[in-house]
Amino acid sequence: GAGVSQSPSNKVTEKGKDVELRCDPISGHTALYWYRQSLGQGLEFLIYFQGNSAPDKSGLPSDRFSAERTGGSVSTLTIQRTQQEDSAVYLCASSLAGGLDQPQHFGDGTRLSIL
Amino acid sequence: QQQVKQSPQSLIVQKGGISIINCAYENTAFDYFPWYQQFPGKGPALLIAIRPDVSEKKEGRFTISFNKSAKQFSLHIMDSQPGDSATYFCAASKQTGANNLFFGTGTRLTVIP
Repeated sequence: GAGVSQSPSNKVTEKGKDVELRCDPISGHTALYWYRQSLGQGLEFLIYFQGNSAPDKSGLPSDRFSAERTGGSVSTLTIQRTQQEDSAVYLCASSLAGGLDQPQHFGDGTRLSIL
Repeated sequence: QQQVKQSPQSLIVQKGGISIINCAYENTAFDYFPWYQQFPGKGPALLIAIRPDVSEKKEGRFTISFNKSAKQFSLHIMDSQPGDSATYFCAASKQTGANNLFFGTGTRLTVIP
């Protein structure tokens, strides 16, 4: 079956521009996570959606970052007024239900480069 | 502050050898410890996971050893193969009351034919 799909796979933009990254989770998965992976670093948690509950935004690094999940499916991560330090791979994962013992299935990420 | 510390950063092993990657954590509330495998250009994939009620879990050539008193856990890859060459991440979390995994910084494993 289809896995987690992320688009675009690569994004290059100028400093100060806004970007939108998209994630299509596996059908039926109610939990959705966004992570950021910087060069040589582990994965940094950004935000978590579970069903219709209010998202856990505790990992968002600044108010320039926001995310939505429409209809409990597709999610969009938006970064406003991008900075060079935002350059990273942004990974989305989904799981069948909330609870961290449920395997998280990752997409291949969006590689974001800020010039 | 890094919640999970991972070593080594990189590892080179001969084919057929044993690869060992170590992780340590501080938060005694952590009770779920997965390992993820990531190939270049791909997202991480769950490899194996352990809970602290057991000291060891084995799946094929992959074994997690867990030392609760030392707050350490490790991944052993037996009979390492070139196809195992990837970056490995350990992670830790609380199964309840938390929404995210804390990842180590990764180990790049290269298995030489």
